[in-house]
Amino acid sequence: EIVLTQSPGTLSLSPGERATLSCRASQSVSSSYLAWYQQKPGQAPRLLIYGASSRATGIPDRFSGSGSGTDFTLTISRLEPEDFAVYYCQQYGSSPQLTFGGGTKVEIK
Amino acid sequence: QVTLKESGPVLVKPTETLTLTCTVSGFSLSNARMGVSWIRQPPGKALEWLAHIFSNDEKSYSTSLKSRLTISKDTSKSQVVLTMTNMDPVDTATYYCARIRTHHYGMDVWGQGTTVTVSS
Repeated sequence: EIVLTQSPGTLSLSPGERATLSCRASQSVSSSYLAWYQQKPGQAPRLLIYGASSRATGIPDRFSGSGSGTDFTLTISRLEPEDFAVYYCQQYGSSPQLTFGGGTKVEIK
Repeated sequence: QVTLKESGPVLVKPTETLTLTCTVSGFSLSNARMGVSWIRQPPGKALEWLAHIFSNDEKSYSTSLKSRLTISKDTSKSQVVLTMTNMDPVDTATYYCARIRTHHYGMDVWGQGTTVTVSS
């Protein structure tokens, strides 16, 4: 089973700053099958990025994804107040198995 | 409009079997480009994928929970059912169903979730 490790656990930033979130896989992941989600308290997750770099419908262009192999990154170019939330990466691989990372909380500094 | 809605018991006793139903609308369970996943989230913890099922009845389960899970679908009723046997207090969580796209295996529409507490 592929393990996804997200870092940092918590990111303390101010509105307007750039956020860089990391997702590292224990073995190579197909870029086609790497996704990112945003979750706010009391809400279901929302798909942000699929295929490592494609934005889901309605997602603002300040969200971008990149990476390949075992290292993937979610970047929020300028944090808006509504972007403070927990972010999860997810992969789909052989077996077939699907796993989530442990999450990164982006909090207001 | 695509929606998914989870239903099931709020409280189950240890050792009992949990049965959850996901009722979907706005898409068909016979659509080859999509399937339905179940995911859970214990209070304050991360998301955990449980299982998914596709239009051709292909099913996959979490390795760690495989012996306890069964997923099935009734296309005519637009429902996906997940059963989990031998429930334990550590299974207390919010359980979500979500539509999964076979193009990229991301989950693009989620239900609101249903909270299940395991306690005697």
